[in-house]
Amino acid sequence: DAGVIQSPRHEVTEMGQEVTLRCKPISGHDYLFWYRQTMMRGLELLIYFNNNVPIDDSGMPEDRFSAKMPNASFSTLKIQPSEPRDSAVYFCASSTNRVGGNQPQHFGDGTRLSIL
Amino acid sequence: QQPVQSPQAVILREGEDAVINCSSSKALYSVHWYRQKHGEAPVFLMILLKGGEQKGHEKISASFNEKKQQSSLYLTASQLSYSGTYFCGTELDDNQGGKLIFGQGTELSVKP
Repeated sequence: DAGVIQSPRHEVTEMGQEVTLRCKPISGHDYLFWYRQTMMRGLELLIYFNNNVPIDDSGMPEDRFSAKMPNASFSTLKIQPSEPRDSAVYFCASSTNRVGGNQPQHFGDGTRLSIL
Repeated sequence: QQPVQSPQAVILREGEDAVINCSSSKALYSVHWYRQKHGEAPVFLMILLKGGEQKGHEKISASFNEKKQQSSLYLTASQLSYSGTYFCGTELDDNQGGKLIFGQGTELSVKP
């Protein structure tokens, strides 16, 4: 079975540019999570969706960040305009409904983002 | 709200045992354990639900003490492949549906 697919794997761009990160969750999973990982702050939850609806975006750092999930098989995380402090590894993860017990989150390989 | 992991780092020789702890100040519904190798994604190890159960996964097992809101990960007879950073992810017992808050990680190095 295909796992969570993220693209691109690496992104290097200049400050001020728009960055779009993409994620395809595992088929049948109805939870999708976006995380950011840095040495200083560890693994932070930015936003998560349930059945394509954003449930909690309290981790989104500021208005420059936005996320969408137009359908069950695709989500995007956009940063506009990007800043050097946005440099990090961004992970997408998905899981199934928690009814009947908790379910593990399956992580994609991540996007390593560098803003110059 | 972030769980506290201890120790922050540990170095072992092959065959030695280790315990990694994860403590929360809030009531928990579940604790997830993940291992991440350098440059890779976190990989799921196991879930502990409230109720104090213990689970095993080969030579890696874990427990959840509901009274203390603490989970411990036990690695016995460590192998080189166990090296990596271990994260606990905690789900609060407030019905928020699947949201995890991760600890800062414990870096484990197993030497030959």
